[in-house]
Amino acid sequence: AQKVTQAQTEISVVEKEDVTLDCVYETRDTTYYLFWYKQPPSGELVFLIRRNSFDEQNEISGRYSWNFQKSTSSFNFTITASQVVDSAVYFCALAFSGGSNYKLTFGKGTLLTVNP
Amino acid sequence: DAGITQSPRHKVTETGTPVTLRCHQTENHRYMYWYRQDPGHGLRLIHYSYGVKDTDKGEVSDGYSVSRSKTEDFLLTLESATSSQTSVYFCATAPGDGAYEQYFGPGTRLTVT
Repeated sequence: AQKVTQAQTEISVVEKEDVTLDCVYETRDTTYYLFWYKQPPSGELVFLIRRNSFDEQNEISGRYSWNFQKSTSSFNFTITASQVVDSAVYFCALAFSGGSNYKLTFGKGTLLTVNP
Repeated sequence: DAGITQSPRHKVTETGTPVTLRCHQTENHRYMYWYRQDPGHGLRLIHYSYGVKDTDKGEVSDGYSVSRSKTEDFLLTLESATSSQTSVYFCATAPGDGAYEQYFGPGTRLTVT
């Protein structure tokens, strides 16, 4: 079964704190893709990052970084020096082979609140 | 920004009535998706299209049908709306299948009374 678990339903931090959002996935596929999306209070969903299963290199983009570990089936997301604008729901997602097309399954999301 | 619009943005309808939601894109993406978002469930795939007239079911397709007669338009129809279909519906597009990043529309909030 293909599944994404985001165990943290809600996280609240104070501005400038570092925060890590956890994502654990399950799949039998050897080729798969992992994503993070952000949904700010305005409601739209914004793509953040895509990773394929053969690339375990960590990625850093400004204050954002991602740690992909196949050994623990995790794809965690860290925000360094958080800001109020980082307040949003963050979704981790897994693309698995569903027949002839890859399909995307989302975790239930983590609501991050950054307080001033 | 994939230039995706959804209409209507908000709709209230009564149980048993048919409802059609429209997704329009200007990016010429081949793949289009319909998701629903409910508290505690994240986003769940309803149907998707991999080309004009080519569609397939997602994980929560019961009670929904779709059509795609043009590259730019993907319609989601609730044949007979039920209260369990009260949700926020998102359309997304992508240049390829689920292995590619998807670009989302602004969402449609549907309330079935």
